[in-house]
Order: sequence, then C-alpha cells, then structure tokens
Amino acid sequence: GQQVMQIPQYQHVQEGEDFTTYCNSSTTLSNIQWYKQRPGGHPVFLIQLVKSGEVKKQKRLTFQFGEAKKNSSLHITATQTTDVGTYFCADSGSARQLTFGSGTQLTVLP
Amino acid sequence: DGGITQSPKYLFRKEGQNVTLSCEQNLNHDAMYWYRQDPGQGLRLIYYSQIVNDFQKGDIAEGYSVSREKKESFPLTVTSAQKNPTAFYLCASSIAAQGIGYTFGSGTRLTVV
Repeated sequence: GQQVMQIPQYQHVQEGEDFTTYCNSSTTLSNIQWYKQRPGGHPVFLIQLVKSGEVKKQKRLTFQFGEAKKNSSLHITATQTTDVGTYFCADSGSARQLTFGSGTQLTVLP
Repeated sequence: DGGITQSPKYLFRKEGQNVTLSCEQNLNHDAMYWYRQDPGQGLRLIYYSQIVNDFQKGDIAEGYSVSREKKESFPLTVTSAQKNPTAFYLCASSIAAQGIGYTFGSGTRLTVV
C-alpha cells in the first residue's frame, strides 16, 4: 500500500525554538491529515489538507501541502512545553482508511 | 458526551490464549478501525469496517479477528496465532465527511505474560 515517510523520528528543542516535521511520499497523496499524540495518550485529529499548495494555520501551528501533493509539513513557532508529543501525518488514500507515517516525537526542554 | 470507549485499559494474556478487546462508540459513525502501535512506531491498520456486518483486512490482519454486528461495536480478538501480540491497540471511528478526522479511543495496552 501507500508508504508515507516522516522525518525526523525524534526532535529535541529548547522552549521557544521552532519545530518542523516533514511527511513525504513517492506517489501522490490523496488528502493529508495531521494528528498529535501526547505521551501515554491517543492520537487527536488536528487538521486535514486537501488541495495542492494548501496552507492552514492554527495559532502557532502552520500546515502545508506540497504543490505536487507528495509532501506535507507541520511547523510550530515558538514551542511550548504543552507541544510535547508525537505528531503523525496520515494519507487518506482511496478507500477511506488512513495510512500513518511513523511519527515525529517532539521533546521541549524548559 | 459522544466518544469511543475501549476496554480494558490494560490486559495481560498468557501464551496460547485468545483475548477480546472491546470498542464501543456513540458517535453514530459508520466506519470503525483497529490499529496497532508498537513503541516508537506509527499506527498499523489491522481491520476496518465501513458498514455493519462487513469488514476488511488491513495491513497486519494475521492472528486477529473482528466482528461488526452492531453499528456501535467493533470488538477485536487477538488469537493465539498472533505470535507477537504485545502492543498498544487503538480503535477509531470516522464519518464520511470532508475535513473530519478519525476519533480515537484511549487504547488498550496488551501484554503477553
């Protein structure tokens, strides 16, 4: 099936620094969804991107979908300790089931 | 409040034993899913169901079975044929609407003892 590669696997940042995670595919992605999973918790839906080149913002979070729909990114400006967790991208594919990337585990040092 | 309930939160299985994980939702969602998560890894799809009395295998269905007799319920049985069942199991549901993501339950952590 569709393979979605996500980098980096781990990221440690000092509080206040920016953070970016990238999602890449060798084939065209259908729609990209982003989820956040807090330590010991379950994934929580953040946003969905549908259109080529789409950019959406949620406060300090900026989500982008590449022009060729083969990559996506999540950027957090001025990280806070509440941003700690694992961020997953997921491609919705053609059969309405999600294929998840391996996730980026973010640690924010106070 | 609407949501998905998974039980139990922790489950211990002996070698050769079948165990069943419960997943119940009151969101009136048509589709339900089971994912497995191993430490430091992403979510892998085990089974999914888009309508009552119908379900499909995901990427790692071997050693697992499901049923979908009611819209609200999608239990997962981990059989003795699953050789490495220790993992975090997540159930999710979704509605066929644009821009709406999956809703996940809080998960069941299964350990083989």
